[in-house]
Amino acid sequence: QVQLQESGPGLVKPSETLSLTCTVSGGSISGYFWSWIRQPPGKGLEWIGHIYYSGSTDYNSSLKSRLTISLATSTNQFSLTLRSVTAADTAVYYCARTSRAGNTGYSSDYWGQGTLVTVSS
Amino acid sequence: SYELTQAPSVSVSPGQTASITCSGDKLGSKYVCWYQQKPGQSPVLVIYQDTKRPSGIPERFSGSNSKNTATLTISGTQAMDEADYYCQAWDSSTVVFGGGTKLTVL
Repeated sequence: QVQLQESGPGLVKPSETLSLTCTVSGGSISGYFWSWIRQPPGKGLEWIGHIYYSGSTDYNSSLKSRLTISLATSTNQFSLTLRSVTAADTAVYYCARTSRAGNTGYSSDYWGQGTLVTVSS
Repeated sequence: SYELTQAPSVSVSPGQTASITCSGDKLGSKYVCWYQQKPGQSPVLVIYQDTKRPSGIPERFSGSNSKNTATLTISGTQAMDEADYYCQAWDSSTVVFGGGTKLTVL
């Protein structure tokens, strides 16, 4: 059974960098996309971006200038770095395993439990 | 940027059929998936590639997608199906989520 677990600080100061890691267990990194999605308190889901096991990435255009997603296949982990955060980045951050069918069939079948990151001084 | 539109809320009586729609330009030409999210929990994939159910998802969940509208249908709705439902599609190298529909079973 594939499991994902987010880890990282729960509190980040404004203008600083948010860094999260997702550890994948029970399955291989190969053959899948690995995604980050966030959900501000009381609001809907927002896609942040994903990385293919080969290392190629796609990012939400609204976050792209501040965002890096990276992959460490040797440790079955992938990471999110979001720079220059503001209160608007306060959210529950989820990592997920994503599959693709054809050119448009992206779907995420395994999710982490989510971690709340608060941006506040 | 591409947008997916969902009604904020839908109500259904137990045992009846609930239909949750998701609209977007030429959505029928893209694959759509649906997630169920209960309070305090992570989203769960209930439909992928428009009509397919992942293992473990009850048969009462079904999906369709044509022209500009995708629909998640829950037949014989149960109290446990009360949740937020999100549609998702891919456009221009971006994953897009609908705003979510709160399904109330009453």
